[in-house]
Amino acid sequence: DIQMTQSPSSVSASVGDRVTVTCQASHGIRTWLAWYQQKPGKAPKLLIYSASSLQGGVPSRFSGSGSGTDFTLTISSLQPEDFATYYCQQTDSFPLTFGGGTKVEIK
Amino acid sequence: EVQLVESGGGLVQPGGSLRLSCAASGFTFTNYVMYWVRQAPGKGLEWVSGISGRGRSTFYADSVKGRFTISRDPSENMLYLQMDSLRAEDAAVYYCAKTPIPTWGVTYMDVWGKGTTVTVSS
Repeated sequence: DIQMTQSPSSVSASVGDRVTVTCQASHGIRTWLAWYQQKPGKAPKLLIYSASSLQGGVPSRFSGSGSGTDFTLTISSLQPEDFATYYCQQTDSFPLTFGGGTKVEIK
Repeated sequence: EVQLVESGGGLVQPGGSLRLSCAASGFTFTNYVMYWVRQAPGKGLEWVSGISGRGRSTFYADSVKGRFTISRDPSENMLYLQMDSLRAEDAAVYYCAKTPIPTWGVTYMDVWGKGTTVTVSS
């Protein structure tokens, strides 16, 4: 199975800050990676697929990069509605696996 | 509008069974791979199972293999998860989710239901 490791597990930031979340795969997955945002009590929302492709309707302040084993989600200028938990997911092979999540909190 | 609505969650004793349902609307159901993903209280996301558009191929996480069965009814646009031999660690919110592209092999999800809660306790 491919293990996904996210860091940090939580980050405190202010509105307007640039925030970076990293995700590392235990095996190379080319660019088979997705990112989701989840707010408390809500279902996850797809942000990015294929490591860097922005899902329709997602603000351009979100971006993704990386390939192989190391990936990054960047929020260029944090907005109040961005405080949430973010998950990466490898989409390379079954069983599908998620990272442990990164909680973005208000500083 | 594409919509997924889960139902069937509830309280069940360890060793018991439960069948979850997911009603799909707003898209051609048989064209899309469907998944179940769960989230235990206060924990992260865990993929549970997947099924191809016509139901011929199914995949399961090792943690549920042999106990859970995924299926779909194209005539009713319904997705199911039959859960048997339930354990305390199966307690979670269960989400059904669809893939964005109508082809087999798509392994990320663009639309999710709101989830249904399963509690396993005596």
